[in-house]
Amino acid sequence: IAGITQAPTSQILAAGRRMTLRCTQDMRHNAMYWYRQDLGLGLRLIHYSNTAGTTGKGEVPDGYSVSRANTDDFPLTLASAVPSQTSVYFCASSDSTESHVYFGPGTRLTVL
Amino acid sequence: GQNIDQPTEMTATEGAIVQINCTYQTSGFNGLFWYQQHAGEAPTFLSYNVLDGLEEKGRFSSFLSRSKGYSYLLLKELQMKDSASYLCAVRDSNYQLIWGAGTKLIIKP
Repeated sequence: IAGITQAPTSQILAAGRRMTLRCTQDMRHNAMYWYRQDLGLGLRLIHYSNTAGTTGKGEVPDGYSVSRANTDDFPLTLASAVPSQTSVYFCASSDSTESHVYFGPGTRLTVL
Repeated sequence: GQNIDQPTEMTATEGAIVQINCTYQTSGFNGLFWYQQHAGEAPTFLSYNVLDGLEEKGRFSSFLSRSKGYSYLLLKELQMKDSASYLCAVRDSNYQLIWGAGTKLIIKP
């Protein structure tokens, strides 16, 4: 069982380019999340989805969009990347909003 | 606003005991979590407290006092592999997780 996979592992991107970070889980979890982690700051929630077909905005949603067409996949899109979006991005999932979350391995994104 | 406070960094000796504190101010409370994160890796779940008191799991224990907005993670018989960051997170009234910035624990021989 792989758990949560993310792709790519790392990416260097020119500012202004569009980028989609992929996330797939095989645990049939209902809830999925996208976080960014920056040095000295806690994990910050970008977007979340409590169940397939629904999404919601987290603490820092600007410049990002998500979709949840099915249970397993939860891609995160940066429409026009900016240097402030340089970060480590973690996809996570949980069986419900009341259980703990499992994290994917992360994507390290650098926007130049 | 919502806030979680943890020390930025702590140092301890192999074989010793260390206590990592976490204080929180959140809109509601639906549980507190501790995660471990090794450098360059993803966070992994360690413990969960929703009622006051101590939860013990092997070398790790976690304590919660809801009235004081306070928790600690206790690590016993420290090993070099315990060198990592420890993240405190609180689930608020909307069932969203609010995260502390993490405590980097350095273990010395």
